[in-house]
Amino acid sequence: AQSVSQHNHHVILSEAASLELGCNYSYGGTVNLFWYVQYPGQHLQLLLKYFSGDPLVKGIKGFEAEFIKSKFSFNLRKPSVQWSDTAEYFCATRNTGGFKTIFGAGTRLFVKA
Amino acid sequence: ETGVTQSPTHLIKTRGQQVTLRCSSQSGHNTVSWYQQALGQGPQFIFQYYREEENGRGNFPPRFSGLQFPNYSSELNVNALELDDSALYLCASSAGLAGGPYEQYFGPGTRLTVT
Repeated sequence: AQSVSQHNHHVILSEAASLELGCNYSYGGTVNLFWYVQYPGQHLQLLLKYFSGDPLVKGIKGFEAEFIKSKFSFNLRKPSVQWSDTAEYFCATRNTGGFKTIFGAGTRLFVKA
Repeated sequence: ETGVTQSPTHLIKTRGQQVTLRCSSQSGHNTVSWYQQALGQGPQFIFQYYREEENGRGNFPPRFSGLQFPNYSSELNVNALELDDSALYLCASSAGLAGGPYEQYFGPGTRLTVT
């Protein structure tokens, strides 16, 4: 069965620090990969997605992610975090049949002002 | 453009009861998926509806059932509630069927507490 593994459950950073959140997925054919963010009190929002093409994907709010097929990874990065980036981040993949999105357990990021 | 809406926001039920949760999809979207998000975990796929038919299902028992209506709104029904059913239930809509490169848009969720 397809699965998604997020390495860090909790991350604490100071403002202006660089961010990298790890995500590994199990291979299951055609790969659709996503990062979602859930700000406190808000609903899940799509940060960025990868379907095909350039493996370096840029999303909203300065986030980017790199698809590395050989490592089955799709890590999320941001060069300089802000206090407003405090949220929970979910990596997700869509299964081969395409109807089921599989989420990781999430990483809670807290950015200290 | 109206986003995905869900009702109610919060709900408290007793073990053994039945519950119905509702979702209105985003305008122009014909596919609705339901997810269960337990505390401290990522969302778990329950099932998906496309044009009023169930299109796929996750590892949830038959007491979890759903409907999609001609206007593409949807209901999630859970019978014989158990304590472990306490969770945030998320609805997501999209404009397109499985297999294609589509995005899902999530609603705010319904927080269900079973006592």
